[in-house]
Amino acid sequence: GQNIDQPTEMTATEGAIVQINCTYQTSGFNGLFWYQQHAGEAPTFLSYNVLDGLEEKGRFSSFLSRSKGYSYLLLKELQMKDSASYLCAVRDSNYQLIWGAGTKLIIKP
Amino acid sequence: NAGVTQTPKFRVLKTGQSMTLLCAQDMNHEYMYWYRQDPGMGLRLIHYSVGEGTTAKGEVPDGYNVSRLKKQNFLLGLESAAPSQTSVYFCASSLDSSGANVLTFGAGSRLTVL
Repeated sequence: GQNIDQPTEMTATEGAIVQINCTYQTSGFNGLFWYQQHAGEAPTFLSYNVLDGLEEKGRFSSFLSRSKGYSYLLLKELQMKDSASYLCAVRDSNYQLIWGAGTKLIIKP
Repeated sequence: NAGVTQTPKFRVLKTGQSMTLLCAQDMNHEYMYWYRQDPGMGLRLIHYSVGEGTTAKGEVPDGYNVSRLKKQNFLLGLESAAPSQTSVYFCASSLDSSGANVLTFGAGSRLTVL
């Protein structure tokens, strides 16, 4: 079967750095996405990785290792508004998105 | 730009009742999707469409029907609602399914079936 694993919940301090991991086992691979979802709102796109390595976008970076079936989302200089759930999704060989259950990130002052 | 609009935002149904969730997008996207989101689970695809007049089953299609009569609209129907269909439903759209084409989501519809 296909599976995406992420930690259920993480806590970090305002101004700090946090890394959210995602491991996957899917039928094929055609890209990995990270979405942010604030409570009661729709998911919004953060990043996309299809090749190994790091993609940086402002305070957010996403890393991919296809051989290890592993990705992480790195958030720097954490702000209170970063409190949200972070969803990892992998596009499989049929170009369908397989979603993780999400990681709820709690930022403390 | 409105993006993706879903109606209604909230609805309470009794078991056995029927209803339709409406989704409209103004981005000229070819692909449209209906997902449900339940606590502790990832988004699960119910049905999707790759263009006007087409529909296809996703991961959890049972108990739902869809129609895409116009490119900009994607309707999700529940013919006989069951408590197991209590969930938050998200409509999404994308230009296509390849490359970095991302999903744009609607604000969600919270459905409770008593």
